Amino acid sequence: QKEVEQDPGPLSVPEGAIVSLNCTYSNSAFQYFMWYRQYSRKGPELLMYTYSSGNKEDGRFTAQVDKSSKYISLFIRDSQPSDSATYLCAMGVANSKLTFGKGITLSVRP
Amino acid sequence: GAVVSQHPSRVICKSGTSVKIECRSLDFQATTMFWYRQFPKQSLMLMATSNEGSKATYEQGVEKDKFLINHASLTLSTLTVTSAHPEDSSFYICSGRGRVAEAFFGQGTRLTVV
Repeated sequence: QKEVEQDPGPLSVPEGAIVSLNCTYSNSAFQYFMWYRQYSRKGPELLMYTYSSGNKEDGRFTAQVDKSSKYISLFIRDSQPSDSATYLCAMGVANSKLTFGKGITLSVRP
Repeated sequence: GAVVSQHPSRVICKSGTSVKIECRSLDFQATTMFWYRQFPKQSLMLMATSNEGSKATYEQGVEKDKFLINHASLTLSTLTVTSAHPEDSSFYICSGRGRVAEAFFGQGTRLTVV
């Protein structure tokens, strides 16, 4: 079993839709959870960072972490064509490398 | 978020030559720098982890003599691809982490070896 599993997609939604992106993981030691957005031929950009279980909201983005289920989610409300990108979940423990999901490519249709 | 500046963004070199890629953390001290390689439509592949002032730790299968990593200061790390060959052509990305858990990425370098 891989440490981090992420639905490979791709995912296509109409503009204005609510998007739900998810990752599951197997390592119960993970404490830090992040979502990155990567546009084509660019480095990943940190979108959301959460520590342990709970929700975090930033504008149209909401990150959820459920450590009991080993499940994290990123919700995008009122999706825009500019949200079209690859989204990577990442997680880790202090002072250690991050473990990434494989990424899911999202396309928001105008 | 914090900024990591990576240069060059694109480089074309001849087979057999060496190429140096620089990453600078502009507004934080990167105690740890990660170097990744990414193939088209694939996820990030960690190559090595370096802590400031220490030798880099390479992932299994990554040739340390081919991919030289230097992390001499808290704001600068370099990756040198030595004796580059066409199969080294790829997208290389650095990522810096300071005291907090988040890691911030550079813009990436597209290396083409001809």
